[in-house]
Amino acid sequence: DAKTTQPTSMDCAEGRAANLPCNHSTISGNEYVYWYRQIHSQGPQYIIHGLKNNETNEMASLIITEDRKSSTLILPHATLRDTAVYYCIVRVGYGGATNKLIFGTGTLLAVQP
Amino acid sequence: DTAVSQTPKYLVTQMGNDKSIKCEQNLGHDTMYWYKQDSKKFLKIMFSYNNKELIINETVPNRFSPKSPDKAHLNLHINSLELGDSAVYFCASSQDRGKTPAKDTQYFGPGTRLTVL
Repeated sequence: DAKTTQPTSMDCAEGRAANLPCNHSTISGNEYVYWYRQIHSQGPQYIIHGLKNNETNEMASLIITEDRKSSTLILPHATLRDTAVYYCIVRVGYGGATNKLIFGTGTLLAVQP
Repeated sequence: DTAVSQTPKYLVTQMGNDKSIKCEQNLGHDTMYWYKQDSKKFLKIMFSYNNKELIINETVPNRFSPKSPDKAHLNLHINSLELGDSAVYFCASSQDRGKTPAKDTQYFGPGTRLTVL
């Protein structure tokens, strides 16, 4: 699975959009981009995933560049409860023998009041 | 209803003891996992079972033994506990084992904080 690079930490004002970048320059054609987050003292929580098209769900939007070498997770209106470590993970989608998530160090998003 | 539950939430024990952590999921999923998060917050997969069959075993010491009595349960037994085993252990489950992204979303439990003295 390809390696990802994320900033160590970011700040965001409450009510504003939080844009979390992720670089995955060695991503392969059959690898998906997944985002999870971990709020303090809780288990990781799935947010969204995508292959090459932009995706949106009730939690966030995922923007993947055309060359797929980077992506951005967007929380449209950040709240204090969105303060967490956000993990960008790349893994093989279809046909993988296992469903192994490899977590990096992630980005600590601090939403400020 | 809790989707993935773990017991106990906290476990404090002495070096050399044997302990177990239980995990149950009520999502009807076929695949379950154990992850370890150490003091530096690195989260790493340990094991995965699909329909009671071991499919991932990540170079974990053989003091750690997962046991899956049925596909809704995956327990973690740890023998001869060492100081370095102190960590938070997370159980997770997914509908499938990695064949289709739509069914691969992993749902995590609340974690068990193990402290070895």
